Amino acid sequence: AQSVSQHNHHVILSEAASLELGCNYSYGGTVNLFWYVQYPGQHLQLLLKYFSGDPLVKGIKGFEAEFIKSKFSFNLRKPSVQWSDTAEYFCAAAGGAGNKLTFGGGTRVLVKP
Amino acid sequence: NAGVTQTPKFQVLKTGQSMTLQCAQDMNHEYMSWYRQDPGMGLRLIHYSVGAGITDQGEVPNGYNVSRSTTEDFPLRLLSAAPSQTSVYFCASSTDRGPGETQYFGPGTRLLVL
Repeated sequence: AQSVSQHNHHVILSEAASLELGCNYSYGGTVNLFWYVQYPGQHLQLLLKYFSGDPLVKGIKGFEAEFIKSKFSFNLRKPSVQWSDTAEYFCAAAGGAGNKLTFGGGTRVLVKP
Repeated sequence: NAGVTQTPKFQVLKTGQSMTLQCAQDMNHEYMSWYRQDPGMGLRLIHYSVGAGITDQGEVPNGYNVSRSTTEDFPLRLLSAAPSQTSVYFCASSTDRGPGETQYFGPGTRLLVL
């Protein structure tokens, strides 16, 4: 069965700290990977995605993620966070036929000013 | 473009009541889907549709019905609400060109079943 797991449920850090959120997936065959973000009171929006090519993917707002096939991982990183990065972050995967997304459990990130 | 819209934003139901959550998109997307979001469990797929007249079950379909009579609309029906259906419901849409497509989410409907 397809599955996505996120290592941390909650992360608290100060402004200017570096952020790394772990994501591991279990999928047979070709997989497409996504990070979505949900800011407080807002709906989910795409942060970045990987489906082929360079395994280091850059997204909006200074985020990047690295696809490591041998580790089945797609970790999200940002070198220096801001208070406005406070949000819930979801890793997701899609593969095979159709557009069905399988989501991880989400990580709530709180950035203290 | 309004994108993906959902109504209502909030709803309180009593156990056993039925209701329909509305979802509409104006991007001419073939693919539409419904998810529920529960703490610590991420989003789980309830039902999805790859075009008008075509629907299929997702991961957690029990207690929910869908139909897709037009490209734009994809309503979700709760047949007999149960407290376990208390959740936040998101509708999403995308083109149907394959699993790499970005999905666009609506603002969500927060449902409380007493």
